[in-house]
Formats: sequence, structure tokens, C-alpha cells
Amino acid sequence: NAGVMQNPRHLVRRRGQEARLRCSPMKGHSHVYWYRQLPEEGLKFMVYLQKENIIDESGMPKERFSAEFPKEGPSILRIQQVVRGDSAAYFCASSSLAPPGNEQFFGPGTRLTVL
Amino acid sequence: QKEVEQNSGPLSVPEGAIASLNCTYSDRGSQSFFWYRQYSGKSPELIMSIYSNGDKEDGRFTAQLNKASQYVSLLIRDSQPSDSATYLCAVVNSGGYQKVTFGTGTKLQVIP
Repeated sequence: NAGVMQNPRHLVRRRGQEARLRCSPMKGHSHVYWYRQLPEEGLKFMVYLQKENIIDESGMPKERFSAEFPKEGPSILRIQQVVRGDSAAYFCASSSLAPPGNEQFFGPGTRLTVL
Repeated sequence: QKEVEQNSGPLSVPEGAIASLNCTYSDRGSQSFFWYRQYSGKSPELIMSIYSNGDKEDGRFTAQLNKASQYVSLLIRDSQPSDSATYLCAVVNSGGYQKVTFGTGTKLQVIP
């Protein structure tokens, strides 16, 4: 029973480059969430997607960040023109929204380092 | 702003003792509550879900929920050094699409 998969696990980029983070939800899950976590800090919600739809992007910076969850393939979080402040762990979680509650299961995360 | 608050700690307990982790939330209509454990450098792992007032036990873990007081707690009996981690409280918001709000977590240290 494969869990949530994320790749790459570690990503190093130079300032100004693009970062693409991928997330494949758990089997049977069609809801994907992206979170960012800085060292020694809490999880910060970024975006919630269903297949082909962005439901809530209230936590995502307006510039340079975008997310998608196409009909086929993984969800992708894209960061353009990365800056040092983008260095963080990015976690993806998935859920089925089946009753009684919205249990989210997390992937292993992608550690982004911007040089 | 629907918030979830936790004491950041660290909470230090001796091995074998009971660790008590607390969480308060502001959304009175919330119905679903979760506890996650996060080891340093790892991703959060769901360890308990609770939906009704009262206690729910799973092994050494007991989750307690009091909706009237907007309070949820996690008790860890016979604490082990391997329980040392950050524990995140998560609350499903009422209304909308069941957005989950996470607390910032309580760091637990179990001293051998």
C-alpha cells in the first residue's frame, strides 16, 4: 500500500533557477495539500488542490509560486526564480475526504536548498 | 482567523512518566481533531484521530476531547525516549471544505 510519494527528496538550486516539486497522492486519494516548513517552525499551509482544480491557494505567495494537479500524473509545486528564503522543507499531504474527518497523510517531503 | 494553539515546549518528562500535551482551538464548530508526531527531519505522522467528547485510547496513547472547552489533549503513558518528537495538533475547520489547521507543535523530550 504505497503512501504519499514525493520527489525529489532533496533539491539544490541556485538563486534565480526554477524548482519543481512533485507529489503523488496515496492510492484512492484525490485531494492534495502542500505545506512549507522552515527549520524549527510549524507547518504553513500553502495550497489545496483536487484533480484539475485549485480549491484554496490562500497560503501561497502571489508571485513565483504555482501549483497544479493535472488529470493524469502527480501534483506539481513550481517555484520560479528561487531566492534563499525559499529554502525549506515542502511537504505534500493527501486525503480522501471520506467521513468522519479529513485525515491527511504526509509524504516524506522535499528539502529545497537555495544557494 | 481560526487558530490552534499549543505550548511550544520543550516539555521534558522522565522515562516511564506520563506526558501530557495540550491544545486549544478557536473554531467552536470543529468536529474532527488529529494528533501528528514529527521526528526531527521527518514528515508528520498521524497517530490519533478523535471526533467525540471523551477519551480515545490506542496503546500507550490517549486522546481527550472537550468540545465545550475547545480543548484537546494527548496523553502518552510509560513515555519512552523514542517518543521524543514534536507533536502537532490539527483541527478540521467547520464550514467551507474542511480545511485542516495545524498548531505549531509541542516538542517533547523524554529523559532516560
